[in-house]
Amino acid sequence: DIQMTQSPSSLSASVGDRVTITCRASQNISNLLNWYQQKPGKAPKFLIYLASTLHTGVPSRFSGSGSGTDFTLTISSLQPEDFATYSCQQSYSSPPVFGPGTTVDVK
Amino acid sequence: QVQLQESGPGLVKPSETLSLTCTVSGGSISLWYWSWIRQPAGKGLEWIGRIYSSGNTDYRPSLKSRVTISKDTSKNQISLKLTSVTAADTAMYYCATGDNGFDMWGQGTMVTVSS
Repeated sequence: DIQMTQSPSSLSASVGDRVTITCRASQNISNLLNWYQQKPGKAPKFLIYLASTLHTGVPSRFSGSGSGTDFTLTISSLQPEDFATYSCQQSYSSPPVFGPGTTVDVK
Repeated sequence: QVQLQESGPGLVKPSETLSLTCTVSGGSISLWYWSWIRQPAGKGLEWIGRIYSSGNTDYRPSLKSRVTISKDTSKNQISLKLTSVTAADTAMYYCATGDNGFDMWGQGTMVTVSS
């Protein structure tokens, strides 16, 4: 299986901050990388696919980049509703594997 | 708008079989592939397996010997069976689908394995 890691595991930030989360794959996955947002007690919400394409309805303050093994999710100006856990997921090969998540909480 | 709703027993005894159903509304299960994903409390998401529109299945290797995913097109439902459960199978279980990733999810159903 392809292994996915994320850093940091958690971070504290304030509204308006620029936030960057890193995801790394254990092997080349091209651009087959998705990002999700999850709030406590809720199902994950799909944010980004193909490493950088925003899913319908996702605010433009979210962006993704990267290819190969290294990827980033950036929130350009953190909003109150963005405090959540963010997970990456590779869709290059089966089984699809999720990263362990990065929790963004209030500073 | 496609909606997914998981259902099933919230408590299963060790060594028994966990059985869950995902009822899909607003769309036909014949059109996409459908996955089951679980999440132990405080931990990350773990993909269990999926069923394609053809009926073919694909399972997580570590669970393959215990998992069966099937579908009932007449009821528009996807089912998950996980045999010989242990406490390690305690988790929130989700069904999900999508083209480029998992862009549609059910609300999830909590399953606890305990005697």
